[in-house]
Amino acid sequence: AQSVTQPDIHITVSEGASLELRCNYSYGATPYLFWYVQSPGQGLQLLLKYFSGDTLVQGIKGFEAEFKRSQSSFNLRKPSVHWSDAAEYFCAAATSGTYKYIFGTGTRLKVLA
Amino acid sequence: DGGITQSPKYLFRKEGQNVTLSCEQNLNHDAMYWYRQDPGQGLRLIYYSQIVNDFQKGDIAEGYSVSREKKESFPLTVTSAQKNPTAFYLCASSIQGARDYGYTFGSGTRLTVV
Repeated sequence: AQSVTQPDIHITVSEGASLELRCNYSYGATPYLFWYVQSPGQGLQLLLKYFSGDTLVQGIKGFEAEFKRSQSSFNLRKPSVHWSDAAEYFCAAATSGTYKYIFGTGTRLKVLA
Repeated sequence: DGGITQSPKYLFRKEGQNVTLSCEQNLNHDAMYWYRQDPGQGLRLIYYSQIVNDFQKGDIAEGYSVSREKKESFPLTVTSAQKNPTAFYLCASSIQGARDYGYTFGSGTRLTVV
């Protein structure tokens, strides 16, 4: 069955530290991959997406993600975290011919001042 | 500015009542979706619609109903058959083919059973 896994439920980092959020997928073929961010009580905002080509993709708010086919991973990174980055982050995947995403269960990021 | 509007932001339902959550978009998107979000479970698809007057069940459609009479509107009714409706409900829309452009989400409705 197709699935998206975010192994870390909670992550805490200090402001200014680097960040990496993990995402693994299980699909028959390489899906289209996305990262979304959700502030408390709000909807989700698209950070970045990967379709094909360059495996390092740049997004908004200084985030980037790297696609690694050999590891079935699409990890989200940021070199220096700001307090405003505290939120919940969701990885999602979709395949050709479908209108539906499969979402991971999310990683909640806490930033220490 | 274009976007998706969900209303109300907070909704309280008594046992045995049906309630309807509103979702309106002015993005001219063809596809619309309803997701349910529970802590620790991520987002689960309830219903989706690719075109007007057509919709499909998602993974957890039982106890819910939808309509798509206009391109701009995709209301969700939570019926009394839904035994555990307390959750955060998110509406989304996309240009045909969410895989190409991603979703645009509304700001959600929090439904509580009282």
